[in-house]
Amino acid sequence: EDQVTQSPEALRLQEGESSSLNCSYTVSGLRGLFWYRQDPGKGPEFLFTLYSAGEEKEKERLKATLTKKESFLHITAPKPEDSATYLCAVQNQAGTALIFGKGTTLSVSS
Amino acid sequence: NAGVTQTPKFRILKIGQSMTLQCTQDMNHNYMYWYRQDPGMGLKLIYYSVGAGITDKGEVPNGYNVSRSTTEDFPLRLELAAPSQTSVYFCASSPALGGETQYFGPGTRLLVL
Repeated sequence: EDQVTQSPEALRLQEGESSSLNCSYTVSGLRGLFWYRQDPGKGPEFLFTLYSAGEEKEKERLKATLTKKESFLHITAPKPEDSATYLCAVQNQAGTALIFGKGTTLSVSS
Repeated sequence: NAGVTQTPKFRILKIGQSMTLQCTQDMNHNYMYWYRQDPGMGLKLIYYSVGAGITDKGEVPNGYNVSRSTTEDFPLRLELAAPSQTSVYFCASSPALGGETQYFGPGTRLLVL
C-alpha cells in the first residue's frame, strides 16, 4: 500500500536555527515526490518536485533532497515567515492522485 | 491568470441538505481533482477527472458526486449532507497524470450540523 509518513508532527525553531523535516514513503515505482507549503486557511502551495534518488532542489532557505526511501526538507536560517505546515506527497501507483502525509507544522519565532 | 478558484469559501449545512461546491481553473489543464482535508490528517482524494465527460472515484467517494462538462469546471455535489462530511475541500488541477505538479485552489470549509 502506498504510504507517506512525515516527522516530526510539529517543530518549533528560533529564527536562524536550521533544521530538517523528514518524509518517508513506500510506493512501487516512484513517479514523483512533491513538497507543498500550506498556510492556515489556504490551499497547498507547490514548492518542489523530485523524481530520482540523489536529486536536490533549492528555493531561498529551503532545500529538498531525495533518497530511495525518504526525502528531507532542509531549512537554513529560518525566518518567522517560514512558519507554515509543510506537506509531502507521492504519486500513487496508478498515477491518478497524490498520497499525502499528515504534514509537519513549523513555527519559527524571532 | 487566476489559477484554481473555489466557491463558496465557507458554508454551514444542516443534516440532509444538499449543495454543490464549485471549482474552476483557467490553466487549460485536462486533469482535475477533489480532496478533503480533516484536522490532523492528510488530504484524501474524493474524485478525479481526466477530461471533459470522464470522471473516476478516488479513495473516499461515498456521499459525493461529480460531473465534468467543460475543461474549466469540476463541481462536487453533496446530496444528503452528514456530520462526517464536515471538512475542508480542495480542488486541484494538473496538466497531466503521473508525476505532474498539481495546483490547488484556496479551499471550501464546510460545516454540517
